[in-house]
Amino acid sequence: QITLKESGPTLVKPAQTLTLTCTFSGFPLTTSGMGVAWIRQPPGKALQWLAVIYSDNDKRYRPSLRGRLSIAKDISKKEVVLTMTDMDPVDTGTYYCVHRRTWYFDFWGPGIPVTVSS
Amino acid sequence: QSGLTQPPSVSGAPGQRITISCTGSSSNIGAGFDVHWYQQLPGAVPKLIIFGNNNRPSGVSDRFSGSKSGTSASLAITGLQAEDAADYYCQSYDTSLTGAWVFGGGTKLTVL
Repeated sequence: QITLKESGPTLVKPAQTLTLTCTFSGFPLTTSGMGVAWIRQPPGKALQWLAVIYSDNDKRYRPSLRGRLSIAKDISKKEVVLTMTDMDPVDTGTYYCVHRRTWYFDFWGPGIPVTVSS
Repeated sequence: QSGLTQPPSVSGAPGQRITISCTGSSSNIGAGFDVHWYQQLPGAVPKLIIFGNNNRPSGVSDRFSGSKSGTSASLAITGLQAEDAADYYCQSYDTSLTGAWVFGGGTKLTVL
């Protein structure tokens, strides 16, 4: 059974760095082609893919946010960490950690709400 | 802006059939990439309901079906039920600068 769960701060100040951790189970992020992604959803708005990391440590980022995002994995802890710098109120939303199955996302974490406010 | 375009809202009466369109371009759907659909009930996590254009994950009702043609795709729901009221998102892969995985803007389904 695949599960994922996000953890981290729910309130950050503008210009601060957000660090979110995804703890997963039920699959080995060592098998070729496996991936874990982050997707966010601003309040009342659509889903936005942010980043993905693959089993071979290849990484992809949303082009418009590439300079602010960083994704890394710790296989021994079964964790994937997303870092987003220079947070702004427009970054407020719910952040989801998801299991990537080839071209789609089949298992989602419960999400963590993040508010950017001073 | 989203790489895929969906109508903001659709509605239907119980028992009816509705469709939700998803329009892409030559860099995503038109390039041959599959379309996938997610259902997000109010206050809930998105759930995959269609993958690979027209495949249902285990446990998803056969009232949901998908299709794809050219640069567009559609989600159809038959025998509409009150519990189908939700936001629906299409998703594909894009080779342009908008980002690898792209979502539609979402469609709010109201069951009258």
